[in-house]
Amino acid sequence: QKEVEQDPGPLSVPEGAIVSLNCTYSNSAFQYFMWYRQYSRKGPELLMYTYSSGNKEDGRFTAQVDKSSKYISLFIRDSQPSDSATYLCAMRRGSRLTFGEGTQLTVNP
Amino acid sequence: EPEVTQTPSHQVTQMGQEVILRCVPISNHLYFYWYRQILGQKVEFLVSFYNNEISEKSEIFDDQFSVERPDGSNFTLKIRSTKLEDSAMYFCASRRTGGREQFFGPGTRLTVL
Repeated sequence: QKEVEQDPGPLSVPEGAIVSLNCTYSNSAFQYFMWYRQYSRKGPELLMYTYSSGNKEDGRFTAQVDKSSKYISLFIRDSQPSDSATYLCAMRRGSRLTFGEGTQLTVNP
Repeated sequence: EPEVTQTPSHQVTQMGQEVILRCVPISNHLYFYWYRQILGQKVEFLVSFYNNEISEKSEIFDDQFSVERPDGSNFTLKIRSTKLEDSAMYFCASRRTGGREQFFGPGTRLTVL
Protein backbone atom coordinates (compact mmCIF):
# COMPACT_ATOMS: atom_id res chain seq x y z
CA GLN A 1 0.00 0.00 0.00
CA LYS A 2 1.32 3.43 -0.90
CA GLU A 3 2.03 5.75 2.02
CA VAL A 4 0.15 8.61 0.37
CA GLU A 5 -2.48 8.24 -2.34
CA GLN A 6 -3.93 11.04 -4.42
CA ASP A 7 -6.21 10.89 -7.42
CA PRO A 8 -4.10 12.33 -10.27
CA GLY A 9 -7.12 13.59 -12.21
CA PRO A 10 -7.09 15.47 -14.48
CA LEU A 11 -9.87 17.60 -13.07
CA SER A 12 -11.57 20.24 -15.22
CA VAL A 13 -14.10 22.69 -13.75
CA PRO A 14 -15.80 25.93 -14.83
CA GLU A 15 -14.73 29.21 -13.30
CA GLY A 16 -16.49 29.83 -9.98
CA ALA A 17 -16.87 26.14 -9.11
CA ILE A 18 -15.95 24.67 -5.76
CA VAL A 19 -13.06 22.26 -6.13
CA SER A 20 -12.40 19.37 -3.78
CA LEU A 21 -9.01 17.64 -3.76
CA ASN A 22 -8.28 14.64 -1.55
CA CYS A 23 -5.51 12.42 -0.26
CA THR A 24 -5.43 9.35 1.91
CA TYR A 25 -2.46 8.07 3.84
CA SER A 26 -1.51 4.91 5.64
CA ASN A 27 1.30 5.96 7.98
CA SER A 28 0.11 7.19 11.38
CA ALA A 29 3.57 8.69 12.00
CA PHE A 30 2.86 11.63 9.72
CA GLN A 31 2.69 14.72 11.89
CA TYR A 32 2.13 17.62 9.53
CA PHE A 33 -0.05 17.93 6.47
CA MET A 34 0.45 20.32 3.61
CA TRP A 35 -0.91 21.29 0.24
CA TYR A 36 1.45 22.56 -2.42
CA ARG A 37 0.67 24.08 -5.80
CA GLN A 38 2.98 23.41 -8.71
CA TYR A 39 2.86 25.20 -12.02
CA SER A 40 4.37 23.55 -15.05
CA ARG A 41 8.16 23.23 -14.81
CA LYS A 42 8.29 25.12 -11.49
CA GLY A 43 9.00 24.09 -7.92
CA PRO A 44 6.18 23.31 -5.47
CA GLU A 45 4.80 26.33 -3.60
CA LEU A 46 3.20 25.90 -0.17
CA LEU A 47 -0.51 26.77 0.01
CA MET A 48 -1.71 25.38 3.33
CA TYR A 49 -0.11 23.80 6.38
CA THR A 50 -1.81 22.08 9.30
CA TYR A 51 -0.93 19.57 11.99
CA SER A 52 -4.21 18.81 13.73
CA SER A 53 -7.54 17.34 12.74
CA GLY A 54 -10.13 19.91 11.71
CA ASN A 55 -10.43 22.73 9.24
CA LYS A 56 -8.10 25.60 8.44
CA GLU A 57 -9.18 28.45 6.21
CA ASP A 58 -7.11 30.93 4.21
CA GLY A 59 -9.05 33.09 1.80
CA ARG A 60 -10.64 30.87 -0.83
CA PHE A 61 -8.76 27.79 0.41
CA THR A 62 -9.82 25.42 3.19
CA ALA A 63 -7.68 22.51 4.34
CA GLN A 64 -9.33 19.68 6.20
CA VAL A 65 -7.60 16.88 8.11
CA ASP A 66 -9.26 13.79 9.55
CA LYS A 67 -6.56 11.80 11.34
CA SER A 68 -8.95 9.06 12.42
CA SER A 69 -9.75 8.30 8.79
CA LYS A 70 -6.27 9.22 7.54
CA TYR A 71 -7.79 11.57 5.02
CA ILE A 72 -7.01 15.14 4.04
CA SER A 73 -8.79 17.52 1.70
CA LEU A 74 -8.30 20.88 0.09
CA PHE A 75 -11.31 22.93 -0.97
CA ILE A 76 -11.03 25.86 -3.35
CA ARG A 77 -14.01 28.21 -3.44
CA ASP A 78 -14.85 30.48 -6.37
CA SER A 79 -12.14 28.84 -8.47
CA GLN A 80 -10.31 31.05 -10.96
CA PRO A 81 -8.43 30.26 -14.19
CA SER A 82 -5.25 31.27 -12.33
CA ASP A 83 -5.85 28.31 -9.98
CA SER A 84 -5.06 25.97 -12.89
CA ALA A 85 -2.05 23.99 -11.71
CA THR A 86 -1.10 20.67 -10.18
CA TYR A 87 -1.98 20.36 -6.50
CA LEU A 88 0.20 18.13 -4.35
CA CYS A 89 -0.62 16.89 -0.91
CA ALA A 90 2.43 16.34 1.28
CA MET A 91 2.97 14.89 4.71
CA ARG A 92 5.91 15.34 6.99
CA ARG A 93 7.59 12.74 9.16
CA GLY A 94 10.92 13.73 10.63
CA SER A 95 12.65 15.98 8.13
CA ARG A 96 11.22 14.45 4.97
CA LEU A 97 8.12 15.31 3.02
CA THR A 98 6.18 12.50 1.35
CA PHE A 99 4.14 13.73 -1.58
CA GLY A 100 1.05 12.43 -3.31
CA GLU A 101 1.04 12.00 -7.07
CA GLY A 102 -0.55 15.42 -7.59
CA THR A 103 -3.93 16.33 -9.08
CA GLN A 104 -3.89 18.36 -12.28
CA LEU A 105 -6.61 21.03 -12.13
CA THR A 106 -7.87 23.16 -15.01
CA VAL A 107 -10.34 25.98 -14.33
CA ASN A 108 -12.05 27.03 -17.54
CA PRO A 109 -13.15 30.66 -18.05
CA GLU B 1 11.26 38.35 -1.50
CA PRO B 2 14.12 35.90 -0.91
CA GLU B 3 13.96 32.67 -2.87
CA VAL B 4 15.89 29.48 -3.46
CA THR B 5 17.82 29.53 -6.72
CA GLN B 6 19.18 26.58 -8.69
CA THR B 7 21.66 26.28 -11.52
CA PRO B 8 21.68 25.17 -14.21
CA SER B 9 18.03 25.12 -15.19
CA HIS B 10 18.72 22.26 -17.60
CA GLN B 11 21.69 19.88 -17.68
CA VAL B 12 22.29 17.31 -20.37
CA THR B 13 24.92 14.66 -19.74
CA GLN B 14 26.11 11.33 -21.03
CA MET B 15 25.52 8.16 -19.05
CA GLY B 16 28.42 7.48 -16.71
CA GLN B 17 29.41 11.14 -16.36
CA GLU B 18 29.47 13.03 -13.10
CA VAL B 19 27.14 15.98 -12.60
CA ILE B 20 26.92 18.61 -9.91
CA LEU B 21 23.66 20.43 -9.36
CA ARG B 22 23.90 23.70 -7.50
CA CYS B 23 21.53 25.46 -5.16
CA VAL B 24 21.64 28.72 -3.26
CA PRO B 25 19.25 28.40 -0.32
CA ILE B 26 17.57 31.39 1.31
CA SER B 27 20.27 33.20 3.25
CA ASN B 28 19.17 32.69 6.86
CA HIS B 29 18.02 29.10 6.37
CA LEU B 30 20.01 26.28 7.93
CA TYR B 31 18.09 23.19 6.83
CA PHE B 32 18.56 22.01 3.26
CA TYR B 33 16.92 19.31 1.16
CA TRP B 34 17.04 17.67 -2.23
CA TYR B 35 14.02 16.10 -3.90
CA ARG B 36 13.56 14.70 -7.36
CA GLN B 37 10.60 14.28 -9.68
CA ILE B 38 10.80 11.84 -12.55
CA LEU B 39 8.55 12.97 -15.40
CA GLY B 40 4.94 12.03 -14.67
CA GLN B 41 5.74 10.75 -11.18
CA LYS B 42 5.55 12.13 -7.68
CA VAL B 43 8.09 14.35 -5.97
CA GLU B 44 10.44 12.12 -3.95
CA PHE B 45 12.64 12.97 -1.00
CA LEU B 46 16.35 12.33 -1.45
CA VAL B 47 18.22 13.85 1.48
CA SER B 48 18.14 16.43 4.25
CA PHE B 49 21.20 18.28 5.51
CA TYR B 50 21.86 20.32 8.63
CA ASN B 51 24.99 21.52 10.38
CA ASN B 52 27.21 20.09 7.65
CA GLU B 53 25.80 16.61 8.06
CA ILE B 54 23.21 14.47 6.40
CA SER B 55 20.31 14.22 8.86
CA GLU B 56 18.14 11.87 6.85
CA LYS B 57 18.30 10.14 3.47
CA SER B 58 16.00 7.96 1.44
CA GLU B 59 16.67 4.59 -0.13
CA ILE B 60 17.13 6.39 -3.46
CA PHE B 61 20.15 8.28 -2.08
CA ASP B 62 22.77 5.57 -2.57
CA ASP B 63 26.55 5.78 -2.87
CA GLN B 64 26.26 7.46 -6.27
CA PHE B 65 24.89 10.56 -4.60
CA SER B 66 26.59 13.03 -2.31
CA VAL B 67 25.79 16.47 -0.95
CA GLU B 68 28.02 19.27 0.17
CA ARG B 69 27.89 22.80 1.43
CA PRO B 70 31.19 24.00 -0.03
CA ASP B 71 30.83 27.55 1.25
CA GLY B 72 28.42 29.76 3.15
CA SER B 73 25.92 30.09 0.36
CA ASN B 74 25.92 27.06 -1.93
CA PHE B 75 24.47 23.57 -1.46
CA THR B 76 25.31 20.96 -4.06
CA LEU B 77 24.12 17.53 -5.14
CA LYS B 78 26.66 15.37 -6.94
CA ILE B 79 25.81 12.28 -8.92
CA ARG B 80 29.02 10.36 -9.50
CA SER B 81 28.16 8.15 -12.46
CA THR B 82 24.84 9.06 -13.98
CA LYS B 83 22.37 6.45 -15.19
CA LEU B 84 19.50 6.86 -17.63
CA GLU B 85 17.06 6.55 -14.74
CA ASP B 86 18.58 9.58 -13.04
CA SER B 87 16.84 11.77 -15.62
CA ALA B 88 14.43 13.90 -13.57
CA MET B 89 13.75 17.36 -12.17
CA TYR B 90 15.85 17.92 -9.08
CA PHE B 91 14.49 20.38 -6.54
CA CYS B 92 16.44 21.98 -3.75
CA ALA B 93 14.56 23.27 -0.70
CA SER B 94 15.52 25.12 2.45
CA ARG B 95 13.92 25.89 5.80
CA ARG B 96 14.77 28.29 8.58
CA THR B 97 15.24 27.17 12.17
CA GLY B 98 11.84 26.84 13.81
CA GLY B 99 10.06 27.30 10.51
CA ARG B 100 7.51 24.88 9.15
CA GLU B 101 7.77 25.52 5.46
CA GLN B 102 10.31 24.07 3.09
CA PHE B 103 10.81 26.60 0.31
CA PHE B 104 11.49 25.01 -3.03
CA GLY B 105 13.67 26.24 -5.85
CA PRO B 106 12.59 26.15 -9.50
CA GLY B 107 14.44 22.90 -10.14
CA THR B 108 17.16 21.62 -12.47
CA ARG B 109 16.06 19.34 -15.25
CA LEU B 110 18.67 16.60 -15.66
CA THR B 111 18.66 14.63 -18.89
CA VAL B 112 20.95 11.60 -19.08
CA LEU B 113 21.57 10.30 -22.60
